[in-house]
Amino acid sequence: DTAVSQTPKYLVTQMGNDKSIKCEQNLGHDTMYWYKQDSKKFLKIMFSYNNKELIINETVPNRFSPKSPDKAHLNLHINSLELGDSAVYFCASSQEDRVNSEAFFGQGTRLTVV
Amino acid sequence: DAKTTQPNSMESNEEEPVHLPCNHSTISGTDYIHWYRQLPSQGPEYVIHGLTSNVNNRMASLAIAEDRKSSTLILHRATLRDAAVYYCILRDRDTDKLIFGTGTRLQVFP
Repeated sequence: DTAVSQTPKYLVTQMGNDKSIKCEQNLGHDTMYWYKQDSKKFLKIMFSYNNKELIINETVPNRFSPKSPDKAHLNLHINSLELGDSAVYFCASSQEDRVNSEAFFGQGTRLTVV
Repeated sequence: DAKTTQPNSMESNEEEPVHLPCNHSTISGTDYIHWYRQLPSQGPEYVIHGLTSNVNNRMASLAIAEDRKSSTLILHRATLRDAAVYYCILRDRDTDKLIFGTGTRLQVFP
């Protein structure tokens, strides 16, 4: 069983469209994250949720809206997609005792905006 | 956020030990030292973490300097599958962040 799974793996879409990326973890973790990895391979945290509540919201355009229907899911919805949104997006999860625990990452969703 | 400094790249031959250094001179007393790696086209993968004492697990060893201002990830016998970008990260008790730096790209040659 995959611990953290994301869908879709690849997403190609036109500018201006709205799209969603889904993430599910079966580890029973309380905390989930979204990271963005740009073309220079720099990994940057976007959001963190703990028990369905937003904990971290880095400087991310408000076109990006995370949604957590339950603590096993954290979906990322993106409105009015722009060329600069093209990147690989990673979902991750960890236990609540975060500092002394490991995070598990999904395989990533490669988003290409054309 | 406390920062880490790593060499951009390192090389190793297969079956040889690899020592990946990390400097973190601004580490605070509550920061844990975490190491992750990212294989090509995959998500980051946990390797090891520690606070003060050296740590060993099935993947690697972590040697932490006595003043905690530096640490070294040790791969005892590098394999081709260990070729990846290795990230040294400080994770503090008060925030919920894994802040990734630029990491060290490890190349392993047969």
